[in-house]
Amino acid sequence: AQKVTQAQTEISVVEKEDVTLDCVYETRDTTYYLFWYKQPPSGELVFLIRRNSFDEQNEISGRYSWNFQKSTSSFNFTITASQVVDSAVYFCALSGMNTGFQKLVFGTGTRLLVSP
Amino acid sequence: DGGITQSPKYLFRKEGQNVTLSCEQNLNHDAMYWYRQDPGQGLRLIYYSQIVNDFQKGDIAEGYSVSREKKESFPLTVTSAQKNPTAFYLCASSRGRDRRMDNEQFFGPGTRLTVL
Repeated sequence: AQKVTQAQTEISVVEKEDVTLDCVYETRDTTYYLFWYKQPPSGELVFLIRRNSFDEQNEISGRYSWNFQKSTSSFNFTITASQVVDSAVYFCALSGMNTGFQKLVFGTGTRLLVSP
Repeated sequence: DGGITQSPKYLFRKEGQNVTLSCEQNLNHDAMYWYRQDPGQGLRLIYYSQIVNDFQKGDIAEGYSVSREKKESFPLTVTSAQKNPTAFYLCASSRGRDRRMDNEQFFGPGTRLTVL
């Protein structure tokens, strides 16, 4: 079975602080994909990143960075110098060969509150 | 602009009534999905369709029905058999027809259904 755990229910930071959102996954697939989505208060999920299981290189996009470690089954997301606009719920998700690459399994999300 | 539209944004219905939620996409995507989101929970897959005139049950299909007569449209009907229909419903689409490289999903703005 596939499972995604986001143990942090809610995180509060002050603007300009760095913050890391944790994501731990379980899968028996050797080929799988990991995703991060952002859900602002408006409700629409915004796609942030996809990584496949064969690419463990860390990725940086502006203030966002992702750390993928197969050894610990983790795909953590760091926001550097957080801003109020980063306040949202962030979801980590997984898809794999056994359930079909089109089916995503989502974690329960982490609510990030960035105060001025 | 390409995207996914869902209507209406808010919907109120009396208990025992069927209600249909609209989802339209002009991204020329093959696959479409319906998710349900409850407070404090992740997204749960209701139904998905990888091609016109074909769809599969997700994890929580009981009490719901769908159709996929056109590539652009994937309406969801919440029937009176759904015991707890009040929730936020999100529609998504992806390019691939179970192809690995095209499995990131793009989401609509959602419909918040309240059953009175």
